[in-house]
Amino acid sequence: SQQGEEDPQALSIQEGENATMNCSYKTSINNLQWYRQNSGRGLVHLILIRSNEREKHSGRLRVTLDTSKKSSSLLITASRAADTASYFCATDWGGAQKLVFGQGTRLTINP
Amino acid sequence: ETGVTQTPRHLVMGMTNKKSLKCEQHLGHNAMYWYKQSAKKPLELMFVYSLEERVENNSVPSRFSPECPNSSHLFLHLHTLQPEDSALYLCASSQDEGGVYGYTFGSGTRLTVV
Repeated sequence: SQQGEEDPQALSIQEGENATMNCSYKTSINNLQWYRQNSGRGLVHLILIRSNEREKHSGRLRVTLDTSKKSSSLLITASRAADTASYFCATDWGGAQKLVFGQGTRLTINP
Repeated sequence: ETGVTQTPRHLVMGMTNKKSLKCEQHLGHNAMYWYKQSAKKPLELMFVYSLEERVENNSVPSRFSPECPNSSHLFLHLHTLQPEDSALYLCASSQDEGGVYGYTFGSGTRLTVV
């Protein structure tokens, strides 16, 4: 399966700490995207990184991509209670023209 | 609101009922999608429409029937569902079929089949 696999499945940290989530995938991609989902709601697009990019920033988010290892990481700095959510990576196959999602990392920020 | 609106937000239906889920976007996107999200499983892509034509049907049972009358609206018609079909059904849209600029999701319809 092409779907990304997030690691860890669940992460619990204190407010103000940094949170790092990882995603691994199996075949070549055009881009990799990260999404956030609050409980029972739709997914919100956070950031997209193309296969020829290695790092991207958006506010408190930092995404890295290592195509040689077929992995990506999402770093959330200075976490806040509002960051509590599930985070998914999604990969865009080279020829499949669709996004395939992993199972997600459940992040809990403790006050 | 994200720009993708799904109705209803919650739906309880019996196994013999017929109901429809509605999705609407006015973002000018050309592609629309139905995903199913069950507990402890990855999002499952069900259907893809690009410029109002179905381009993907991921072996979805025939009790799910999609309809895309125009580029702004997408429906999922449901009939004789099973309890295992209970899930969160998410609609998404993207500027292009490949979603290379990201998907915009609706808030979902929480479906319970009794």
